[in-house]
Amino acid sequence: KQEVTQIPAALSVPEGENLVLNCSFTDSAIYNLQWFRQDPGKGLTSLLLIQSSQREQTSGRLNASLDKSSGRSTLYIAASQPGDSATYLCAVRGNQFYFGTGTSLTVIP
Amino acid sequence: DVKVTQSSRYLVKRTGEKVFLECVQDMDHENMFWYRQDPGLGLRLIYFSYDVKMKEKGDIPEGYSVSREKKERFSLILESASTNQTSMYLCASSSYGTETRQPQHFGDGTRLSIL
Repeated sequence: KQEVTQIPAALSVPEGENLVLNCSFTDSAIYNLQWFRQDPGKGLTSLLLIQSSQREQTSGRLNASLDKSSGRSTLYIAASQPGDSATYLCAVRGNQFYFGTGTSLTVIP
Repeated sequence: DVKVTQSSRYLVKRTGEKVFLECVQDMDHENMFWYRQDPGLGLRLIYFSYDVKMKEKGDIPEGYSVSREKKERFSLILESASTNQTSMYLCASSSYGTETRQPQHFGDGTRLSIL
């Protein structure tokens, strides 16, 4: 069964820093990988979707990369802001969607 | 814009009650999903549906059932609620066609407490 791991579980950085969130998965037979943001008590907001044939996707200050063969993805956030504080989850699409447990990010003003 | 609506943000029920959680999407998506989210366990798939009147069990279907009578609506039913079903419930949808390439869209979640 696919297992998705996100390390670290929590991260605290000062405003303005660039940062990287990590996601690893055990089965490389995936169709795509999706990064989400979740604010406290809310649902998931889709940030980026990377197809299995792609290496990266960019949206504004966010850049996500995918190395399917090694089972890794990273989410790069440039010039972090306090409004970026949230939990970030990755999910891979195989026979169904498999989610990591998330990284809780706090950006300190 | 994509919209998945869950009928209740917060719900409090008693042990043994039959509980209905409703989810509606306005994107004409074929696939719909119900997850529960618990601290330290992440999101776990309860049931999903790829068409009207079709349903498939996810990882943790015990104690739950679902109904999909119309394409836009997917209901999760707790037949006899128990305290271990206290959780955050999230509904999602995605399109078919080249569905393996399509993202999931989520509702805001229902925080259910069983007393």
